[in-house]
Amino acid sequence: DTEVTQTPKHLVMGMTNKKSLKCEQHMGHRAMYWYKQKAKKPPELMFVYSYEKLSINESVPSRFSPECPNSSLLNLHLHALQPEDSALYLCASSQESGTDTQYFGPGTRLTVL
Amino acid sequence: AQKITQTQPGMFVQEKEAVTLDCTYDTSDQSYGLFWYKQPSSGEMIFLIYQGSYDEQNATEGRYSLNFQKARKSANLVISASQLGDSAMYFCAMGGSAYAGNNRKLIWGLGTSLAVNP
Repeated sequence: DTEVTQTPKHLVMGMTNKKSLKCEQHMGHRAMYWYKQKAKKPPELMFVYSYEKLSINESVPSRFSPECPNSSLLNLHLHALQPEDSALYLCASSQESGTDTQYFGPGTRLTVL
Repeated sequence: AQKITQTQPGMFVQEKEAVTLDCTYDTSDQSYGLFWYKQPSSGEMIFLIYQGSYDEQNATEGRYSLNFQKARKSANLVISASQLGDSAMYFCAMGGSAYAGNNRKLIWGLGTSLAVNP
């Protein structure tokens, strides 16, 4: 059983909507990640939080806004998305080291109409 | 530049047979980690096995083993006694040096799609 949970599992939204993706981990990890994954491609890193502070932003458009309310929670706020933003969004967490294993949640499949 | 290469876009294996998925890597770091993940069609990215660059023994986790050949810069995944549930996409990834500051960016291969035939 994964100890990283994500909600919702599926999300359909229009280009003018505002929605949020939620991720929660119960492993005591202090690093959390958002990835975007297109079909049949490897995941692309979007954001990394370390000790609740944003440490990496991979030049993601401002229509994606991450938030880390506490060490267990990670949100991704979505606003004015484009159809090309439709993808699987994966959350992951890890301990505090460059080679520590990242554990992933089940993902949210996002469709932007 | 760091790079992961998976040369097998698709593989087939008969149930109960062993299969090897290839992964080669390129890095100038001395300290790094190599990971294998499984992604079924459901989408979840499942961690399978890890090999540290200084580990002298090949990693094993149940039916999964990692054939680590440092001089050749290869980290092949071996799945023994394949099961139908092993049908999935498999990604090889490399973690940054533990001494490279805040580097947590994994370098990913393009993946290998494995189909297990009954």
